[in-house]
Amino acid sequence: GAVVSQHPSRVICKSGTSVKIECRSLDFQATTMFWYRQFPKQSLMLMATSNEGSKATYEQGVEKDKFLINHASLTLSTLTVTSAHPEDSSFYICSASGITLALSSYNEQFFGPGTRLTVL
Amino acid sequence: KNEVEQSPQNLTAQEGEFITINCSYSVGISALHWLQQHPGGGIVSLFMLSSGKKKHGRLIATINIQEKHSSLHITASHPRDSAVYICAIGGSQGNLIFGKGTKLSVKP
Repeated sequence: GAVVSQHPSRVICKSGTSVKIECRSLDFQATTMFWYRQFPKQSLMLMATSNEGSKATYEQGVEKDKFLINHASLTLSTLTVTSAHPEDSSFYICSASGITLALSSYNEQFFGPGTRLTVL
Repeated sequence: KNEVEQSPQNLTAQEGEFITINCSYSVGISALHWLQQHPGGGIVSLFMLSSGKKKHGRLIATINIQEKHSSLHITASHPRDSAVYICAIGGSQGNLIFGKGTKLSVKP
């Protein structure tokens, strides 16, 4: 399958600082990237959907000014958590899909390894 | 009611046992995914299926579209199969809607 990387894998920061998480598709062009968040013992929840070259679509309850998403190229999307607070501590994971990989009307998704954010 | 329900939530098995994890969903779908999440958090896509049955090694996934039900089977389970197994269905934007997962622990 296709490979998606995330960086960093783990980050600890102080409250009030901003953290940028990168998601890269290494061997395919990702027209769509999804950002998910997972709190301990919870299922993954979609935060936003980003299509290359356009503004991200945020889920209800996700602050777009706090979680800045940029998908400027077909291989890179970034999530910036601005003015991070301890309640933002979570596991953030991205997935990517591309039309070249479509096996049916449904695009298969490939997941990054995730980023564990701890805000002190 | 969650759109995706998995059972059981937790499952402990002895090495070598046959394991079944179930997934029910409440909306029409084009495809259903089975994912594996390891303790470190990384997620691996195991299957994407829209009908019938798929097999990969010791893993078998089946789906019944009429009954809105899917099962993931693991034959000859091994401690390295210990992970959280997640069922997911497609959302309207191409995103996935996840079940809460089944935590599997296989004892040697």
